[in-house]
Formats: sequence, C-alpha cells, structure tokens
Amino acid sequence: KQEVTQIPAALSVPEGENLVLNCSFTDSAIYNLQWFRQDPGKGLTSLLLIQSSQREQTSGRLNASLDKSSGRSTLYIAASQPGDSATYLCAAGVGIQGAQKLVFGQGTRLTINP
Amino acid sequence: EAEVAQSPRYKITEKSQAVAFWCDPISGHATLYWYRQILGQGPELLVQFQDESVVDDSQLPKDRFSAERLKGVDSTLKIQPAELGDSAMYLCASSQVKGAGGANVLTFGAGSRLTVL
Repeated sequence: KQEVTQIPAALSVPEGENLVLNCSFTDSAIYNLQWFRQDPGKGLTSLLLIQSSQREQTSGRLNASLDKSSGRSTLYIAASQPGDSATYLCAAGVGIQGAQKLVFGQGTRLTINP
Repeated sequence: EAEVAQSPRYKITEKSQAVAFWCDPISGHATLYWYRQILGQGPELLVQFQDESVVDDSQLPKDRFSAERLKGVDSTLKIQPAELGDSAMYLCASSQVKGAGGANVLTFGAGSRLTVL
C-alpha cells in the first residue's frame, strides 16, 4: 500500500527566501507525482505534475523534482511572497484496477512573513 | 475557465440525520473522484468513478455511505446516518484521463464542509 509523507508539517519563513518542501513515498511504482496548493477552507489547485519518466518540472517560481529510486520529491519555491502562504500537498499517482488514483500526503502548511 | 461545481458549500446537521452532496464535473471528464479531508490531514479517496462505473470504493464506509453517478455525468454522495466523526470537507474532482497511464491532472471543486453536531 502506497504511503506518502510530507515533512515538515508546518514551515514559517521571511518573505524573499527560497525554500524547499519535501515529499516521500514508499512504493516507487508510480505513474506521476503531483503538487497541489490549498488555501484555507478551499479546494485544491494543481501546481505541477511530474511524469514517472521525468526528473523535474518548472512553472514560474516553482520547481518540482522527482527521484523515484529514493522515493522522494521536492518542491522548490524561489523568492517567496506572502501570497505563497497556503498548504502544499503532494500526491502519488498509482494504478488501481486499470485506472489511476492519487494518494496524498498530509501537507505542509507554509507561512511567508512580510 | 471550466469548474467542478459542488453543493452545498456548507452543511450542519445532527448525528443520525441523512446528508447528501452533489458534484457536477467538468463537461467531458470521464473520471470523477470523491475525497474526504479531515481538518489538518490530506484528502483520502472515498470513491472513484470512470463514466458511470465504480473503479474503487475500497475506503468508502458502505454501511452508511453511498455514491452514484447515473448517466456518467453528475454524482451524489450520501451519508445516512451521519456520525460525529464524519465532520470533514468532502471534495469532488474530475479528470479527462481514462485508464491507468497518462498525465492525470485533476480539477477539484471548492468542497462541501460538513459539521455533524
């Protein structure tokens, strides 16, 4: 059974810093690894998707990497801004009965202080 | 921009009552997911549909929860009777991808927050 873990559970940094969020998964048989953002009381917004054959994906100030062999992914946020404050969730895409489902970590709650 | 619609946004009910949530996925999306998210935790998959068929409902408490997606479009998740431990955010998501492979990008709705008193 796939298990996804995110460390730390919460992170607080000053504005302008670069930061890294960590995600680990127990089973390397994944189709993809995805990162989402969730604002308080809201749904999830997809940020980046890394296919199992890829090593990284970039979108603006965000860069996500994937190392399947070690069961790890990182989300790098450059030049953090107060608007980046949110909970960040990673999820592993795994196969089930001819389909694909996402298994989520518990999230990292990020606070960027002005 | 196309959205996943969910209703109601908020529901307060007493334990032992019945509750229903509705989800309308993005038009043309074959796969629909219901997730439950307890405060401070990550979402947990309750049920996944591909068109009108259930692909996975292994984590759905079938003694009290039911889900249907008639005609393979919108979907309803029902809880009867509700228990205190059911208080959570119920998230619906949809994706275009059928089958196991591919870049399965999910679009989530805003969620339905349930409080059971």
